[in-house]
Amino acid sequence: EDKVVQSPLSLVVHEGDTVTLNCSYEVTNFRSLLWYKQEKKAPTFLFMLTSSGIEKKSGRLSSILDKKELFSILNITATQTGDSAVYLCAVAPRGYGNKLVFGAGTILRVKS
Amino acid sequence: GAVVSQHPSWVICKSGTSVKIECRSLDFQATTMFWYRQFPKQSLMLMATSNEGSKATYEQGVEKDKFLINHASLTLSTLTVTSAHPEDSSFYICSARGEQAMREAFFGQGTRLTVV
Repeated sequence: EDKVVQSPLSLVVHEGDTVTLNCSYEVTNFRSLLWYKQEKKAPTFLFMLTSSGIEKKSGRLSSILDKKELFSILNITATQTGDSAVYLCAVAPRGYGNKLVFGAGTILRVKS
Repeated sequence: GAVVSQHPSWVICKSGTSVKIECRSLDFQATTMFWYRQFPKQSLMLMATSNEGSKATYEQGVEKDKFLINHASLTLSTLTVTSAHPEDSSFYICSARGEQAMREAFFGQGTRLTVV
């Protein structure tokens, strides 16, 4: 059965701190790994990773995938209170419909 | 990114009634749509996958007769919660994916359903 495990489940930091969120997965026929940020409503897309070792960056956020060890990390530097959210990791297996398998998420709270 | 519109954003209904939720892709043709359910402080749980013009594929444990999914066109899928009960109260989110070249799915805004 396909599985995605995120850690930690929750995290509280102070503004300016750097955080690293982890995502490990077991999936047959891996296609891609995606990171989403969810605040009060639906998730918003952050990154899609398909190749090992290539860092994707967007402002203070960056992410990298290790397909050999089956994990990904999401880094947020110089955190701000607006980064407080649930961060979801999902894996897209190849195959019919390309449905996403989601992890439970990491709840991040950034205190001012 | 592509836009997916979900309507309504929230709805309150009485037990025993049916509620329809719409998911539209506004600027692309959605060959596949996914319906998720999310309970408070939990992750998204896939309910079903639908492809335009064919029957939806439901995940294990999801009642087909209770959660009716229709994907009659390339821009619209609907989820109808039939004979709703309070335990059906949840956040329902759709996502849509287009042709093979579009490698990610885009989410609608979600619908908060409360059954009283």
